[in-house]
Amino acid sequence: DAKTTQPPSMDCAEGRAANLPCNHSTISGNEYVYWYRQIHSQGPQYIIHGLKNNETNEMASLIITEDRKSSTLILPHATLRDTAVYYCIAMDSNYQLIWGAGTKLIIKP
Amino acid sequence: GAGVSQSPSNKVTEKGKDVELRCDPISGHTALYWYRQSLGQGLEFLIYFQGNSAPDKSGLPSDRFSAERTGGSVSTLTIQRTQQEDSAVYLCASSLVRREAKNIQYFGAGTRLSVL
Repeated sequence: DAKTTQPPSMDCAEGRAANLPCNHSTISGNEYVYWYRQIHSQGPQYIIHGLKNNETNEMASLIITEDRKSSTLILPHATLRDTAVYYCIAMDSNYQLIWGAGTKLIIKP
Repeated sequence: GAGVSQSPSNKVTEKGKDVELRCDPISGHTALYWYRQSLGQGLEFLIYFQGNSAPDKSGLPSDRFSAERTGGSVSTLTIQRTQQEDSAVYLCASSLVRREAKNIQYFGAGTRLSVL
């Protein structure tokens, strides 16, 4: 079973920041949290990952709470091309990614 | 090529037939994964290869499913005596290594299998 829970869907206006929440209250202290997204009819695409500290790259920012029970993926200026299913994933003790159903993010013009 | 390549992109078969799905990983990636994705669902792990080690087959749903990886590169997923419930998108991914916390997997576009 997935170790993460996400809302099934969200909307965001084009040009605004999209904030996608994820709960992962059962992950252990050394388990990374990964974010991938899947645009329709494509394979998943890596976005970002983190352990304890906040992370930022050219695609997004990842904010992890101090207790590591939840995190938020931030797309700073959402575009229509960011419409996709976003997966928040934990890695288990066997280094295997455990996928949930994700959040369907719809960017509206 | 620069990315993970899968073929065919679409496969339609009749119930009871065998199918083979192919995956070409990124050059130099030692780890290779197969996943299955049913409509509207997340990814279901099937099998994993790491270098010359014995594969992790813990996700294969039945003995009709098998996979091999020749020469540490190309992999083939075989489904024998296909059933309608096998209809799904089959995704392949590769990564540099697996047994570390920073394991970024790169995915192909998948093979959409339809069993009639």
